[in-house]
Amino acid sequence: NAGVMQNPRHLVRRRGQEARLRCSPMKGHSHVYWYRQLPEEGLKFMVYLQKENIIDESGMPKERFSAEFPKEGPSILRIQQVVRGDSAAYFCASSPTDRVITGELFFGEGSRLTVL
Amino acid sequence: QKEVEQDPGPLSVPEGAIVSLNCTYSNSAFQYFMWYRQYSRKGPELLMYTYSSGNKEDGRFTAQVDKSSKYISLFIRDSQPSDSATYLCAMSEAGTYKYIFGTGTRLKVLA
Repeated sequence: NAGVMQNPRHLVRRRGQEARLRCSPMKGHSHVYWYRQLPEEGLKFMVYLQKENIIDESGMPKERFSAEFPKEGPSILRIQQVVRGDSAAYFCASSPTDRVITGELFFGEGSRLTVL
Repeated sequence: QKEVEQDPGPLSVPEGAIVSLNCTYSNSAFQYFMWYRQYSRKGPELLMYTYSSGNKEDGRFTAQVDKSSKYISLFIRDSQPSDSATYLCAMSEAGTYKYIFGTGTRLKVLA
């Protein structure tokens, strides 16, 4: 059973460009989370999705950021018109329904975004 | 005040030492408490989770929760160089799915 797959692992964008980060959850996991991690900081919650639904996006900036988890295919975190402050590691985590309450999240290896 | 406070370290200990890692929190509604380990340039991996107060042991690891003091701990016995990593605590309220993470404590176990 493959783990959570994130790609790209590294992404470089210039200010004003768009960044798309993809996450394929573990097989059988229908819950996906996105977190952002800045150097020397912890993981900051961004958004929680189930298939085709955004459950909680309270941690995601209202502008320029969006997330989806379609019926088919990976979850996508999209950042439009990137700025230098968006440079960070973005982690995706997935969980099966019976593990969500207990906080058993399975993380991918992250996508590191650098904005020049 | 942050919801979850964790000393960033680094914490350096000799091989074989007992390590104590701690987090404090302010939200009395937190019911689920987790510890994750994160190696450099990797994603976090779950070590242990506990519900409400009490202790939980798994091999060399023991997690403790003291809800009256809003304080949780992770103990590592017989620490090994391979335990060198950043340890993140996380917690959530019952019935919610938003996990709040501490900033992590960097641990170095010296051979």
